[in-house]
Amino acid sequence: NAGVTQTPKFRVLKTGQSMTLLCAQDMNHEYMYWYRQDPGMGLRLIHYSVGEGTTAKGEVPDGYNVSRLKKQNFLLGLESAAPSQTSVYFCASRLRTGWNTEAFFGQGTRLTVV
Amino acid sequence: AQSVTQLDSQVPVFEEAPVELRCNYSSSVSVYLFWYVQYPNQGLQLLLKYLSGSTLVKGINGFEAEFNKSQTSFHLRKPSVHISDTAEYFCAVHTSGTYKYIFGTGTRLKVLA
Repeated sequence: NAGVTQTPKFRVLKTGQSMTLLCAQDMNHEYMYWYRQDPGMGLRLIHYSVGEGTTAKGEVPDGYNVSRLKKQNFLLGLESAAPSQTSVYFCASRLRTGWNTEAFFGQGTRLTVV
Repeated sequence: AQSVTQLDSQVPVFEEAPVELRCNYSSSVSVYLFWYVQYPNQGLQLLLKYLSGSTLVKGINGFEAEFNKSQTSFHLRKPSVHISDTAEYFCAVHTSGTYKYIFGTGTRLKVLA
């Protein structure tokens, strides 16, 4: 059981380049999230999805887009990368049933924009 | 709006000593509270959670936390730490009626030999 898998694990981009981060979960979870983690700032929510075909903005959505075409996948896109997007990105998922279920996290993607 | 405050960014402690990591939250509605641990270069994994009932919650690796509604706190404790507990610890709040988890800024626990 793989849980939540993020691809890639590391990436270096040049300013202005685009890329897509893939998150895949095999637990049949309805809710999926993308967070970024920066030193001293904890985890900040970028976008989230409550089900296939639906997405919503979190705290820091600017410069990112997302898509949830399949229930098990949640994609995070950077159309034109900026140095300020250098961060560690985490995907998480959880069940919809009840409000008390914990979130399961992927291993993270370390992105550097130069 | 809900928020989570972790009062200590770093906590150094000697091996076998007790430790307390502090977490305070603000919310006007019912909350569910979580502590996650992040080991170096890894994702977050759940340590423990408070949903309802007993205010003292026990988690994995000998950790426990106490929910105090009047003080809006959910402090994490361990009576005797090990070197392997060195990690970053995050407190999180899930507010009833929302889809989101709000995380604190994290506390880096460093256990010294």
